[in-house]
Amino acid sequence: NAGVMQNPRHLVRRRGQEARLRCSPVKGHSHVYWYRQLPEEGLKFMVYLQKENIIDESGMPKERFSAEFPKEGPSILRIQQVVRGDSAAYFCASSPPAGWNTEAFFGQGTRLTVV
Amino acid sequence: GESVGLHLPTLSVQEGDNSIINCAYSNSASDYFIWYKQESGKGPQFIIDIRSNMDKRQGQRVTVLLNKTVKHLSLQIAATQPGDSAVYFCAERPGNFNKFYFGSGTKLNVKP
Repeated sequence: NAGVMQNPRHLVRRRGQEARLRCSPVKGHSHVYWYRQLPEEGLKFMVYLQKENIIDESGMPKERFSAEFPKEGPSILRIQQVVRGDSAAYFCASSPPAGWNTEAFFGQGTRLTVV
Repeated sequence: GESVGLHLPTLSVQEGDNSIINCAYSNSASDYFIWYKQESGKGPQFIIDIRSNMDKRQGQRVTVLLNKTVKHLSLQIAATQPGDSAVYFCAERPGNFNKFYFGSGTKLNVKP
């Protein structure tokens, strides 16, 4: 019973390139969340998606960042024209439809380094 | 907003002692709280949760206490073990979906 799978685990990009981070949720989970974590800090909410819908993207920068969760396939977090400040760990979490005691299961993260 | 905070950034305890990690939250609308454990290089791992209509919940070796009056959470770990060494985050959920606000974390060091 696989958990949340993220790939790649580590990603190095030069400034100006694009970064694509993938997240496959727990089987049967229809809700995906992306968080960003800087070193020695907590996780910051970026975006919440359901299949084919963005529900809440209030934590995502307005420019260069986008996310999708298509009907088929993994969720993708896309960062265009990366800058050094984008270097961070990006975590994906999934959950079944929300309700009481609906914990979110996290993946192992993608560590993005912009050089 | 994102106003979950922790009192102690680093906590060192002796193996076998009990550990207490504290957390303050600011959103009175939060109805669900989770403690996560994060080991180096890994994603957050669920430890224990509590709903706002409870003030205490126990798991295996862990207890979470919720004081809504002062908006305070604590995680108690009994008989702390070296494997408990990690960063611990509390997270609050002020809405009805899993958009969590995380604190900055407390690093727990367990000395053998």
